[in-house]
Amino acid sequence: KQEVTQIPAALSVPEGENLVLNCSFTDSAIYNLQWFRQDPGKGLTSLLLIQSSQREQTSGRLNASLDKSSGRSTLYIAASQPGDSATYLCAVCNNAGNMLTFGGGTRLMVKP
Amino acid sequence: GAVVSQHPSWVICKSGTSVKIECRSLDFQATTMFWYRQFPKQSLMLMATSNEGSKATYEQGVEKDKFLINHASLTLSTLTVTSAHPEDSSFYICSARDSGSGTEAFFGQGTRLTVV
Repeated sequence: KQEVTQIPAALSVPEGENLVLNCSFTDSAIYNLQWFRQDPGKGLTSLLLIQSSQREQTSGRLNASLDKSSGRSTLYIAASQPGDSATYLCAVCNNAGNMLTFGGGTRLMVKP
Repeated sequence: GAVVSQHPSWVICKSGTSVKIECRSLDFQATTMFWYRQFPKQSLMLMATSNEGSKATYEQGVEKDKFLINHASLTLSTLTVTSAHPEDSSFYICSARDSGSGTEAFFGQGTRLTVV
């Protein structure tokens, strides 16, 4: 059974810092991995999708890497802003069209 | 990206009543949709997989008679919480993938259910 872990559980940084969120998964036979953002009381916004054959994906100030063999992914946020404050969720899909297994999330607070 | 619309966004109901939550894929077809549940400050846990035209597949520990799922068309799945009780109060979120291109999962806005 796939298990996904995210570290740290919570993070508070001053504005402008570059930061790294970590995600690890136990079963390396994944189909893809997604990073999501969730604001309090809201649904999920997809940030980046990495297919199993890819090493990284970039969107603006966000960069996600994937090391499938070691069961790890990182989300790098450059020049953090207060508007980046949210919970970031990592989720793994093991088969095409299948459900996602979520990590516990990292609650990020960027202070002005 | 593709849009998944979930309705209602929030609902308050009396204990013992039933509540229906709708999940629609607005610009794509989804043969499979997923229903998740999220408790405060916790991550999402899969409740069931909704399959168009057939019975839903429920995760272990999820009562199928309490959480009725209907996926009657390629763009609509519904979750009905029957005889709701306060412990059913939670945040329910649906997800869908485009049956045609389908690698990325898109999520609805979520439904905050409070049973009083």
